[in-house]
Amino acid sequence: EVQLVQSGAEVKKPGESLRISCEGSGYSFISYWINWVRQMPGKGLEWMVRIDPSNSNTDYSPSFQGHVTVSADKSITTAYLQWSSLETSDTAIYYCARAYSSSSAIDYWGQGTLVTVSS
Amino acid sequence: DIQMTQSPSTLSASIGDRVTITCRASQSISSWLAWYQQKPGKAPKLLIYKASSLESGVPSRFSGSGSGTEFTLTISSLQSDDFATYYCQQYNSYVWTFGQGTKVDI
Repeated sequence: EVQLVQSGAEVKKPGESLRISCEGSGYSFISYWINWVRQMPGKGLEWMVRIDPSNSNTDYSPSFQGHVTVSADKSITTAYLQWSSLETSDTAIYYCARAYSSSSAIDYWGQGTLVTVSS
Repeated sequence: DIQMTQSPSTLSASIGDRVTITCRASQSISSWLAWYQQKPGKAPKLLIYKASSLESGVPSRFSGSGSGTEFTLTISSLQSDDFATYYCQQYNSYVWTFGQGTKVDI
């Protein structure tokens, strides 16, 4: 069974750093890109970034470039999304999701990680 | 970026109704369009890919059509399990974009 299991909810203060994770199982982790999608409270879905775990190639949305960093460790089939300095506007649910390529639809999603940034 | 516009934003319907949601792209995306269903507190679920291909396990009452810039998602006979928010998403360009969502409620 394909699973993407994300790390738990986080509460942080503005300016703090954070790394959230997404562990894939039940499939060949290096054969699928991992994407990160943001959903702000009560809002729609925004694609942020994708990473190819086989070689760590990345594509960033211009809207998120420079504010987040994506990485992956194929040895432990885990992808990460990190911030060096959080802002209150980063409060959202973050989903990891796999796709076979950048020309494929997302077929499996993680359960989401709620990040709350508040002073 | 390619802009995706869904209509309507909210749709009120009854069990058994035929429901159609429209998604328009700001430029041609060929057939590189997916539809997702999201229920409150849950992750989205893939329904349709490549504009009209039904994802495995998805009920046949869901169908997609269109190409270029105009696309539709149709639910042939609305069931209670279908009350949710639906999103279209283009994957034609390297920057993926979603529509703003259509909430289907009673």
